[in-house]
Amino acid sequence: GQNIDQPTEMTATEGAIVQINCTYQTSGFNGLFWYQQHAGEAPTFLSYNVLDGLEEKGRFSSFLSRSKGYSYLLLKELQMKDSASYLCAVLNNAGNMLTFGGGTRLMVKP
Amino acid sequence: EPEVTQTPSHQVTQMGQEVILRCVPISNHLYFYWYRQILGQKVEFLVSFYNNEISEKSEIFDDQFSVERPDGSNFTLKIRSTKLEDSAMYFCASRWGLQSEQFFGPGTRLTVL
Repeated sequence: GQNIDQPTEMTATEGAIVQINCTYQTSGFNGLFWYQQHAGEAPTFLSYNVLDGLEEKGRFSSFLSRSKGYSYLLLKELQMKDSASYLCAVLNNAGNMLTFGGGTRLMVKP
Repeated sequence: EPEVTQTPSHQVTQMGQEVILRCVPISNHLYFYWYRQILGQKVEFLVSFYNNEISEKSEIFDDQFSVERPDGSNFTLKIRSTKLEDSAMYFCASRWGLQSEQFFGPGTRLTVL
């Protein structure tokens, strides 16, 4: 079975740093994706981790620990436009199915 | 920049009617997917398609659902007899390789009355 947990909501201040955690228990694992989704829109890709460690891409970084079943997405220098839902998704062993968590709705306040 | 396109953007249908949702994946992509998202809920995997056949499907993807790649560009999802609970946003996605990024289309909002 697949179980992916993320906090439902978070609030942060413009210019600050926020960390969104994701824990997973899955029967197979072939990588973890983070997506951003604005209300009423499609998910857009942010990052992909398949090995342990930190991947950095501009203001966004993602970390993975496979032994702990844990990942986080770090957003720096928050902007108002970062207000969105952030979705953690695990790729199965065969690489043909993404299972999503419920998403974390981030509200950035001035 | 290449993108996944979907039509229509919004479809309203009566319960029991058949609907076909259409997608044009990115042209050099090999793997195709359908997901759905009921309003306020999480994105749920429906089916993946590779080499002209289904490679994985979820419990949601029952006999009422089917997928087809009728030509070299389109990828369709058919719901044979829609139910009220089929009302959702349906996203098509495609990718080039198994561990590459999945690109999502803008979605079709299906409303079943």
